Amino acid sequence: QQQVKQSPQSLIVQKGGISIINCAYENTAFDYFPWYQQFPGKGPALLIAIRPDVSEKKEGRFTISFNKSAKQFSLHIMDSQPGDSATYFCAALGDFGNEKLTFGTGTRLTIIP
Amino acid sequence: DVKVTQSSRYLVKRTGEKVFLECVQDMDHENMFWYRQDPGLGLRLIYFSYDVKMKEKGDIPEGYSVSREKKERFSLILESASTNQTSMYLCASSSAGGVNEQFFGPGTRLTVL
Repeated sequence: QQQVKQSPQSLIVQKGGISIINCAYENTAFDYFPWYQQFPGKGPALLIAIRPDVSEKKEGRFTISFNKSAKQFSLHIMDSQPGDSATYFCAALGDFGNEKLTFGTGTRLTIIP
Repeated sequence: DVKVTQSSRYLVKRTGEKVFLECVQDMDHENMFWYRQDPGLGLRLIYFSYDVKMKEKGDIPEGYSVSREKKERFSLILESASTNQTSMYLCASSSAGGVNEQFFGPGTRLTVL
């Protein structure tokens, strides 16, 4: 099964708080997990990505946590800012002989003052 | 600066019309992709191409076809537009071989009346 399940569908967080978005997958052949960020009127853009050989990757205020045994990964945004308000997509890529990404359904994040 | 451009930002067509959506990338990428984005459904792959004149079906190819005559250009064709094809269409490109970032265009909002 090549699905990636993402939750929540929408999220409201106060400025300065921690935003957490979760994803789960079934197929253990996935071996690369990127997160894309999309602002209104723009296409998605790569934010951060992780391989399953590490449990965490941090870039500035953005951290991916990866739990290989549970087949879950999550995006944490520390000290969330109004400029982080966007739609976030998790995705997965596997060694299936092609370079297709399987995307989650997206989370619309709103940071309120 | 890398760029993926799409021929139209907004398009309104009538049911039964033939619709062409064009995408051009200036990064000499081998791979190009067409997605549709719908609320609650995320990004779903329609077709992708890994070389000139090569194409593969994605997850939802029904009602669509594609053309790639030049490396930089990838066209999505709706042979006979229907109202259920009203959506946001996103084009992306990436270089071949392993894990490579997909770069997205700004999208075309298509409305079929």
